Amino acid sequence: NAGVTQTPKFRILKIGQSMTLQCAQDMNHNYMYWYRQDPGMGLKLIYYSVGAGITDKGEVPNGYNVSRSTTEDFPLRLELAAPSQTSVYFCASTPNGVTNEKLFFGSGTQLSVL
Amino acid sequence: AQTVTQSQPEMSVQEAETVTLSCTYDTSENNYYLFWYKQPPSRQMILVIRQEAYKQQNATENRFSVNFQKAAKSFSLKISDSQLGDTAMYFCAFMKLTYNNNDMRFGAGTRLTVKP
Repeated sequence: NAGVTQTPKFRILKIGQSMTLQCAQDMNHNYMYWYRQDPGMGLKLIYYSVGAGITDKGEVPNGYNVSRSTTEDFPLRLELAAPSQTSVYFCASTPNGVTNEKLFFGSGTQLSVL
Repeated sequence: AQTVTQSQPEMSVQEAETVTLSCTYDTSENNYYLFWYKQPPSRQMILVIRQEAYKQQNATENRFSVNFQKAAKSFSLKISDSQLGDTAMYFCAFMKLTYNNNDMRFGAGTRLTVKP
């Protein structure tokens, strides 16, 4: 059982470039999340999805976009990379909103924008 | 808005001893969950322990236990018989207990080092 899989693990971007961080889960979870973790800080919610076709903004959505065409996949898109987006990105999932008591995390993507 | 505060950026403990990590939170909600997550150098986030606010009994998981003081909005983590593998960042987190909940708030973390 793979759980939550994130790719790539590391990436370096130049300012203005775009990229997509991939996230897939094989647990048939409805809820999926993208967090960013800045050095020395806790995680902050970027976007989340409560099911296929439904997405919504979290605490820090600016500069990012997401889509949820399937239950399994929840990619995060950076259109014009900026140095402020240098961070570690975590994808997470959980079964549903009622028993939403444990997040299953991926292993993270370390992104540097230079 | 909910905020979570961890006032200890770094802590250290000798192997086999006990250490307590502090966490306070601010909320007007009555029903919520509190969590402690561990993040070792591998970066993987691992759930250590969970507490439902409506339960008065403190949660325990083997060597890990919490001291939940709802009125004081305090949620400390006690690690007994510390092991070298406990070395990690520890994050306290808060989540409202509502249908369609979508947001877990994290503290800034405490870096714990267990010394041999």
